[in-house]
Parts: sequence; C-alpha cells; structure tokens
Amino acid sequence: DTAVSQTPKYLVTQMGNDKSIKCEQNLGHDTMYWYKQDSKKFLKIMFSYNNKELIINETVPNRFSPKSPDKAHLNLHINSLELGDSAVYFCASSQQTTGANEKLFFGSGTQLSVL
Amino acid sequence: GDSVTQMEGPVTLSEEAFLTINCTYTATGYPSLFWYVQYPGEGLQLLLKATKADDKGSNKGFEATYRKETTSFHLEKGSVQVSDSAVYFCALSFQGAQKLVFGQGTRLTINP
Repeated sequence: DTAVSQTPKYLVTQMGNDKSIKCEQNLGHDTMYWYKQDSKKFLKIMFSYNNKELIINETVPNRFSPKSPDKAHLNLHINSLELGDSAVYFCASSQQTTGANEKLFFGSGTQLSVL
Repeated sequence: GDSVTQMEGPVTLSEEAFLTINCTYTATGYPSLFWYVQYPGEGLQLLLKATKADDKGSNKGFEATYRKETTSFHLEKGSVQVSDSAVYFCALSFQGAQKLVFGQGTRLTINP
C-alpha cells in the first residue's frame, strides 16, 4: 500500500478554472504538508496541518485553500488558476511537526499544467 | 532567512565514478541537515541526515558530514551506479520550526 497517495497524477486545465488535488496518508501521522516544486526544481513549503489545524501558511495566495477533513487527508483546492500555478505539487506527512529529527514521507506528486 | 544552496546541475557521470554534490547552508543557529532523493516519477525520500556538527550521515553507500565551520553538508559516494540517477535535495530544519527548507535540487545522471 502506498504510504502517501495523491490524485490526480497529472492535471491539465485552462486558466480561470477551479481544481482540487487530493492527498491521503495511511501512516497514522499527525502532520501533513503541501509543497510546490517549480520548473527549476525549487521545492517550497506552502502549508502544513497538524491534527487538522493549520500550522504554516507560507504567504500563499488566497486562491489556494487547503482542507483537512481528518488527520489522514489534506486536500488542496485552487481557485481561478493562473499560468504561474503550473508546477508539481507534493503532499507529505510526518509523525510530528517537522523538527530536528523528523522524516517526511512524500507522495509522488501532481503535475499541474495551466494553459 | 534560512536557506540552502546546492551545486548547479545537471551532473553526468559514468558508472563507478566518484560523486560529490556540494551543499552549503545559511542559518542562525545549528540546524539539522538532510539529503533527500527523488527518483523519476516518484516523491522525495529521505536518504540520510545529521543532527549536529561533525555527525556523518550514511545510507546506500552515500555519505555526508555536517561541517559547522564551512556550513556545508556535501554528499559523496565512492562508486555510483546507473540506479543512482535521480534528483538530490539538500535540506535543513530546526527543532520546532515545523518545516524543511530545501535547496534547488541537483539532477544526477549516471551513464553505463
């Protein structure tokens, strides 16, 4: 069984549309994250949730809204998609909020292309 | 703010060559340091880590030593294989910081 699974793997859509990416982890972890990887491979944190509560919001536009219905799921909804939103989005989880020893488990990514 | 800088890629080597991927960091204090690896079509996986100065992390033949004096955490492997082809990310984290800060990734290609 995949530890951190996200769907869809590929998402191609038009500017202005609204789309969602789903993420689920079966590791029993308390903390989940969304990271964005741009075309130059830079990987930056967007959000983190601990037990369904928002912990980190790294100055992400309001068009991005994470939702955590339970601690095993963290979905990412994006309104009014823009060309600059094209990237690979990674979901991740960890037992606790990231610290000196914490190991993150990543999903395989969702490649979003906005046309 | 805290940041991580890796050597520019892509890096292309022949099988059994010696590998070094440089990583330096800027941070106030002494973070924990990590190397993550991303194989084609997959998410990142933790490769190794070191939590204090002079610690050496190692896994799968890869090693990296936490050098406080040079704020570096260079990744090395004595003899690379084709299966090592991937993107490698250096990262740092502080206790209680609640996030990893990643470098820009270095793409490694190993030719047979």
